[in-house]
Amino acid sequence: NAGVTQTPKFQVLKTGQSMTLQCAQDMNHNSMYWYRQDPGMGLRLIYYSASEGTTDKGEVPNGYNVSRLNKREFSLRLESAAPSQTSVYFCASSRYGYTFGSGTRLTVV
Amino acid sequence: GENVEQHPSTLSVQEGDSAVIKCTYSDSASNYFPWYKQELGKRPQLIIDIRSNVGEKKDQRIAVTLNKTAKHFSLHITETQPEDSAVYFCAASIESGAGSYQLTFGKGTKLSVIP
Repeated sequence: NAGVTQTPKFQVLKTGQSMTLQCAQDMNHNSMYWYRQDPGMGLRLIYYSASEGTTDKGEVPNGYNVSRLNKREFSLRLESAAPSQTSVYFCASSRYGYTFGSGTRLTVV
Repeated sequence: GENVEQHPSTLSVQEGDSAVIKCTYSDSASNYFPWYKQELGKRPQLIIDIRSNVGEKKDQRIAVTLNKTAKHFSLHITETQPEDSAVYFCAASIESGAGSYQLTFGKGTKLSVIP
């Protein structure tokens, strides 16, 4: 039982490049989330998916897009990366309480 | 939307002493209040949570209290140990029962337990 799996763990991008962060859960949870964590800022919600086929914006959605591919997978896409998107990104899923993935440390130079 | 304030941002205690972290929330409709512990370089992990139908919950050395009227809740750690050193986050949300709820997090408290 892997829980929530995120890939990649580390990534360096140049400004303007694009990439997709992958997230998959094997707990049969309906709801999935993407958060970013910045020093001194806590965790801020980017997008969430309450169920397969639905997605909604969170607190800081600008510059991101998401896809809920199926019940297991929820991906986050940066179309044109900016230095302000340097952060640690966490995916989570929930039924009773959140289970977080191990995070992706992204640096945009 | 919900706003969660967390204090203090840093806290140092001697091993064996108690630690208290406090949070306030703005949305009176919020009914679910979890606490997460995050060790350096690791993912946040749920350590305890409380729902608005109870005022206090304990789990061994950890307890959480909730005051709905004042809209604040607190984490209490007794008999602190060096392994309690971590960043702690409070959060609040409206839990609908369908399993989907968007947590709003506080900015975190870095707890250091001095041996």
